[in-house]
Amino acid sequence: GQNIDQPTEMTATEGAIVQINCTYQTSGFNGLFWYQQHAGEAPTFLSYNVLDGLEEKGRFSSFLSRSKGYSYLLLKELQMKDSASYLCAVRDTGANNLFFGTGTRLTVIP
Amino acid sequence: GAVVSQHPSWVICKSGTSVKIECRSLDFQATTMFWYRQFPKQSLMLMATSNEGSKATYEQGVEKDKFLINHASLTLSTLTVTSAHPEDSSFYICSALGGGPIHFFGQGTRLTVV
Repeated sequence: GQNIDQPTEMTATEGAIVQINCTYQTSGFNGLFWYQQHAGEAPTFLSYNVLDGLEEKGRFSSFLSRSKGYSYLLLKELQMKDSASYLCAVRDTGANNLFFGTGTRLTVIP
Repeated sequence: GAVVSQHPSWVICKSGTSVKIECRSLDFQATTMFWYRQFPKQSLMLMATSNEGSKATYEQGVEKDKFLINHASLTLSTLTVTSAHPEDSSFYICSALGGGPIHFFGQGTRLTVV
């Protein structure tokens, strides 16, 4: 089976840094994705990791450790518009399906 | 970037009627499209995977006769909710794959069955 865990909710202050963790136990692994989803809207792609290490893209960075089944999304210089749900998803081997975690609802406060 | 358009954005229908939702890849050919549903404050649940020209693969527990999926071309997949009931009210989202690993999502369709 597929098990992907994220914290349900997080709160952080505008201008600060926040790290959202994701742990996974899946039957296969062929990449990990992070998506941002605002309420009532479709998810938008943030990052993709298939090898261990850190991927940086502007204010967003994502880290992967395959041996530990662990990833995190790092958001720097938080802005109010970053308030959203952040979804961790794992792609299975041999298929293109994505399995999503429950998502982390991030609230940025002034 | 790749754009996926989903239509309609929202629909209200009477119980017992059918509703069709379209998912189009606008600037790329989608070899595979996926349909999800999402309940409030929950994550996306994969319903089915569709490949152009072949039958969709449904996830366990999803009724194929109730949720009809057609992927007639490389840019269009449709989901028809047949004989809709209030419990089918949900947010339905499609995603599409081109040649790479990134899934691009449509805007979603909020279905309300009254």
